[in-house]
Amino acid sequence: QSALTQPPSASGSPGQSVTISCTGSSSDVGSYDYVSWYQQHPGRAPKLMIYEVNKWPSGVPDRFSGSKSGNTASLTVSGLQAEDEADYYCSSYAGRNTLVFGGGTKLTVL
Amino acid sequence: EVQLVESGGGLLQPGGSLRLSCTGSGFTFSSYWMHWVRQAPGKGLLWVSRINSDGTTTGYADSVKGRFTISRDNAKNTLYLQMNSLRAEDTAVYYCARGNMASEYWGQGTLVTVSA
Repeated sequence: QSALTQPPSASGSPGQSVTISCTGSSSDVGSYDYVSWYQQHPGRAPKLMIYEVNKWPSGVPDRFSGSKSGNTASLTVSGLQAEDEADYYCSSYAGRNTLVFGGGTKLTVL
Repeated sequence: EVQLVESGGGLLQPGGSLRLSCTGSGFTFSSYWMHWVRQAPGKGLLWVSRINSDGTTTGYADSVKGRFTISRDNAKNTLYLQMNSLRAEDTAVYYCARGNMASEYWGQGTLVTVSA
C-alpha cells in the first residue's frame, strides 16, 4: 500500500485553470475507476469533490473535473476562485478491500 | 441532515489501547459502508480501515493491520475502532466517513495523542 504521488504544490491566478496529477500503479489507479478527489480547508474535514474518476457529488461546481489515463488521474480546476485555495487529496481503491490516498497538493490562488 | 460524530479520543502512553466511536444520524446507518481515516498533525490523509454495511467484510491499512479492529453496531448506529499497541506515530485526528469507494460525509474528527 504505497501512497499515491501528488505534487506538493500548485498555483494559478483567479480565472485560470490548474491541473493536479495523482500517480499510482497498476495495482490501484490503473486497475480501478474508483478515483476520488477531496478538498480540505485548514481545520476542516475533507469534502468530496469528484468520485469514480469524473463524477460530481451534488452541489460541487462543474469547474472541478476529473480524468484518468493509465496509472495517473488528474483533477482540473477551471475558473480559479479565491475559495478554491485548499489542500487536495486523491484516493483510489487498491484491491483487497483497501484504499489509498495521495500525499496531498496545496493549491494556492495567486 | 446526515451527521457523523466521533468520540473517544484522548492522550495515552505508547503501548496503550483506546476505542473510538462514531455515531451516525440522519440516514439509514445499516445501509452504508463506513471508513476510518486519520490525519497526523500537519500531514496528509491516511486511510485506516473500512467495513461493509453488515459488518462481515473489513479492510485495513498495512500500518494498522493486527493492531486495530473496526466494527459496528447497527442497532446503535455506531461505528467503532479498537486501537491496541498504540505507537507515537498513531497520533492523529481520526475521522469516520460514510461511503464505499468514496466518502461524501465525514465527521469532524477526534484527536488521539500517543506520548510518554
